[in-house]
Amino acid sequence: DAGVIQSPRHEVTEMGQEVTLRCKPISGHDYLFWYRQTMMRGLELLIYFNNNVPIDDSGMPEDRFSAKMPNASFSTLKIQPSEPRDSAVYFCASSNSLGREKLFFGSGTQLSVL
Amino acid sequence: SQQGEEDPQALSIQEGENATMNCSYKTSINNLQWYRQNSGRGLVHLILIRSNEREKHSGRLRVTLDTSKKSSSLLITASRAADTASYFCATGYSNDYKLSFGAGTTVTVRA
Repeated sequence: DAGVIQSPRHEVTEMGQEVTLRCKPISGHDYLFWYRQTMMRGLELLIYFNNNVPIDDSGMPEDRFSAKMPNASFSTLKIQPSEPRDSAVYFCASSNSLGREKLFFGSGTQLSVL
Repeated sequence: SQQGEEDPQALSIQEGENATMNCSYKTSINNLQWYRQNSGRGLVHLILIRSNEREKHSGRLRVTLDTSKKSSSLLITASRAADTASYFCATGYSNDYKLSFGAGTTVTVRA
């Protein structure tokens, strides 16, 4: 298996632009998590899905952030409009019901908002 | 907010030495996990210990859990240069599937 695949690997954009981050979880995994990592705040859980349904989005910073999971093999995290304080590494992780506690992480998307 | 807090923040050791890092948390947990993150990469799961377990081993890794003190430790024995990474503890709970990560310990193993 290729593992959790995230794209793009790096994204540089200007303030006010829309940013879309993509994630393909491991096949057969029914849990998907979006995390954000910064030096100041560490790893923060933004939202997680179970069987494509958002379960907890209490970590989403504000309405500028939205996440979708249209099917079991694809999820997006969108920021519109983006702001410099959104600069961070965004990770997607997945797990399955049998071993749900153990997360498999993608390589992350390094986002820089200028 | 971060549930676990690692100590120390950074650790530098010679190859072959043991590395120990600690994690403290605030509320009752179902399990505690340790992850490794190499520079520029995603996190990799190392080991999971449940609240009813006291010690667990995996290769050169040894994890202990003291629920009365709400703390855990990760020991890496006979360290290698490849162990250079950041190590994070993460706490899991019975009623949901969220993991809360600590700030991490950066370990540097000198050749």
